[in-house]
Amino acid sequence: GENVEQHPSTLSVQEGDSAVIKCTYSDSASNYFPWYKQELGKGPQLIIDIRSNVGEKKDQRIAVTLNKTAKHFSLHITETQPEDSAVYFCAASKGQPGGNYQLIWGAGTKLIIKP
Amino acid sequence: DTGVSQDPRHKITKRGQNVTFRCDPISEHNRLYWYRQTLGQGPEFLTYFQNEAQLEKSRLLSDRFSAERPKGSFSTLEIQRTEQGDSAMYLCASSLARGPAREQYFGPGTRLTVT
Repeated sequence: GENVEQHPSTLSVQEGDSAVIKCTYSDSASNYFPWYKQELGKGPQLIIDIRSNVGEKKDQRIAVTLNKTAKHFSLHITETQPEDSAVYFCAASKGQPGGNYQLIWGAGTKLIIKP
Repeated sequence: DTGVSQDPRHKITKRGQNVTFRCDPISEHNRLYWYRQTLGQGPEFLTYFQNEAQLEKSRLLSDRFSAERPKGSFSTLEIQRTEQGDSAMYLCASSLARGPAREQYFGPGTRLTVT
């Protein structure tokens, strides 16, 4: 079955610097890759996603890149702010319309923004 | 607030007792997913519904677990004869699986502690 690996497990960056989190997936049939932010005691919040027919997507300070050949995708956060501190999860999903879109998750990256 | 809601937010129970959790999805969403998350890990898929039909169950969902979505709106997850290994965060997500839409939106979760 699908397996998603995520690195690093902890990332500490200075406020204002950029942060990059990387994930690899094993199933080449996966075609949807969301990123979630989870704050302590809360449920995961969808922050950005990308589909397999796109190589890059950007939303303000957040961008995601996808390399289908290498089966990896990355989250880029620029100009980091204290409120970016949280645990970030990548996930992968496959399936045709009408099928199960269950998400297979990475283990998470704890992002710490140092003031 | 029109997001996904879950009740209760926290539940402490003694081993062997039964517990039931409720999830209210975003109103127009036809899909509802249940996931389980243990500390330091990403969520794991348990089961999902399309309207009132339960279409798939993970092998993680033992016979002690049952989920329903009787009218295609809210859902309940019941755990019978709880065990300490059931202690986890139980997350519900809803989705509008129509056309290209696949985004899953999560509730705040129910944290279960079995003593």
